[in-house]
Amino acid sequence: DSGVTQTPKHLITATGQRVTLRCSPRSGDLSVYWYQQSLDQGLQFLIQYYNGEERAKGNILERFSAQQFPDLHSELNLSSLELGDSALYFCASSVRPSGRYEQFFGPGTRLTVL
Amino acid sequence: QQQVKQSPQSLIVQKGGISIINCAYENTAFDYFPWYQQFPGKGPALLIAIRPDVSEKKEGRFTISFNKSAKQFSLHIMDSQPGDSATYFCAAGAGNKLTFGGGTRVLVKP
Repeated sequence: DSGVTQTPKHLITATGQRVTLRCSPRSGDLSVYWYQQSLDQGLQFLIQYYNGEERAKGNILERFSAQQFPDLHSELNLSSLELGDSALYFCASSVRPSGRYEQFFGPGTRLTVL
Repeated sequence: QQQVKQSPQSLIVQKGGISIINCAYENTAFDYFPWYQQFPGKGPALLIAIRPDVSEKKEGRFTISFNKSAKQFSLHIMDSQPGDSATYFCAAGAGNKLTFGGGTRVLVKP
């Protein structure tokens, strides 16, 4: 158990809908990362937050947004969903906002868009 | 643009054999090279990591070899066991983030 929690575990929704994925980082970790893992693809970095502020952006679509709250939990909002958004979404946390430190991954949220 | 290229995509090895996974990168700013292991239904977990001032790091049956001049690094799994069957991701870190390779699915046959 990495100490990172993600809810829900599974989410099934329809095209055009909006969903929110939630992540609670490990105790003491201030940095949160979001990744998308599609079938046959690796981990695509979406966005990073550190202590409530956005620090880095990757291949995140304009239909997607995220935020980190004062209690350090983070939410990833996906809107106008398309079939191609079906994927595993992982949240990871680390002590510092750097690519040079271990990231601890949550169990993921499997999103299915029908 | 894939900044970290990983090969092979999949690998089948007999129990007791050696699994070798290779990664290549282009960005010379990368200075942290971890390997993550992912079991089905789970999130990736750090397996072993190396920094570029070292050419090799060994932890148990897992060894990272690093070639800075060639901008390549590899993971060797010695005496592979069925419990090692998983997907392995190399990654390279710089600045604020890690860039992951495409993953290698390893199957160890008993």
